[in-house]
Formats: sequence, C-alpha cells, structure tokens
Amino acid sequence: GAVVSQHPSRVICKSGTSVKIECRSLDFQATTMFWYRQFPKKSLMLMATSNEGSKATYEQGVEKDKFLINHASLTLSTLTVTSAHPEDSSFYICSARRPGSTDTQYFGPGTRLTVL
Amino acid sequence: GQQVMQIPQYQHVQEGEDFTTYCNSSTTLSNIQWYKQRPGGHPVFLIQLVKSGEVKKQKRLTFQFGEAKKNSSLHITATQTTDVGTYFCAGRGTYKYIFGTGTRLKVLA
Repeated sequence: GAVVSQHPSRVICKSGTSVKIECRSLDFQATTMFWYRQFPKKSLMLMATSNEGSKATYEQGVEKDKFLINHASLTLSTLTVTSAHPEDSSFYICSARRPGSTDTQYFGPGTRLTVL
Repeated sequence: GQQVMQIPQYQHVQEGEDFTTYCNSSTTLSNIQWYKQRPGGHPVFLIQLVKSGEVKKQKRLTFQFGEAKKNSSLHITATQTTDVGTYFCAGRGTYKYIFGTGTRLKVLA
C-alpha cells in the first residue's frame, strides 16, 4: 500500500505558540490531502480538504485563520495550529488520496498535540 | 447535515465468536468504505463498496452494502485477538466522506 508520513508524531507546546505539522506522501503524488482531528475514543472529524496549488476547503465550524493549511507540492501538505490553546490538544491525522485509485485514503500515523 | 452512525459502540467477544458492526447513514451514499484502527494506530483502509446490495469478502470478513445505499455492515467470522481495534465506516455523500462513530472491538482470549 501507499505510504504517508507525518511529522512530528508528538508535540508539546505552550499556550499561545504555533505548531506546524507536516504530511507527506512518500511514494505517490497526492493532489488531494485531508486533515482530520480525532478526540480520544472518538471518530475522525474532517477539518479540511487540502488541494495542491489552491486554497484549502474548510469544513463548517473549523476556523481557517487558526488552522492554516498549505499544500505547496504534490507530496507535502502542512497544518499550522496558530496561537494554540489547551482545547486544541488532540490527535491530528492526515490522509492522502492516490490519483487513479478508487478513492482510497492512505492515512498518516498521526500527530499527538498537547498544549499546556 | 449528513450523519453516519455505527452500532454497537463497543463489543467484547470471546475469541472464536462472530462479530458484526452496522453502519447507518442519514442520506443515500454513493459508496462506502471501511477502515480499521488498531489501538494507538491510524486508520487502515479495508474495502470499498459501490453497488447497491454489494457483498464482498476478505477471508473472515464479510462486507455488505444495503439495497438503498444508506447502510452497511461488517461481519467477522470466528474472531481472533488480532481483530482487536476500532472499525469505522466512511460514507461518501455529495463530495466528501463522513466517518461513522466507530465500533470498538475487544477480543478476549
């Protein structure tokens, strides 16, 4: 299967700082990547759809100025949590859709963010 | 908006018993996918169903898509300890996938 990496896997930061999370598709080019948030023992909540070379499409209720998404290349999308607060602590997972595949999403290993 | 619910929320079974999780959408779906997430891990794609009434099998796993394309099920025959994890369905509506609430499976040896 396709490989998607995320970095960092864990990050602890102070309230008010910004954190950048990278999502990379390692063996294929992904025109579309997705960012999800998952609370403990809960489902995945789609935050935004990241399209290479264009603005991300945010889901209702997700602040685009707080969660900045940049899909600068066909293999890299970044999510920046700006001015993080404790309520932003969560598990953030990206996925990438492989062109030509049947809509299959390949998920990264996730990033555990803890804001103190 | 579109909602995708799964039941049960939790299921504990003895190893060797069968297990079924049900996925129900509030709207008609164009297709449905199933994912498995091991504890501490990330979701891994299992299968996609597209046609009304479609049934697919993967070894001990049987996936079914309802006739009305609003529900689906995953059945595991003779569970093993390696089946432990949370099973999510993801239904495609107009332009995006909505993940179900998940069913957490625990298999007791």
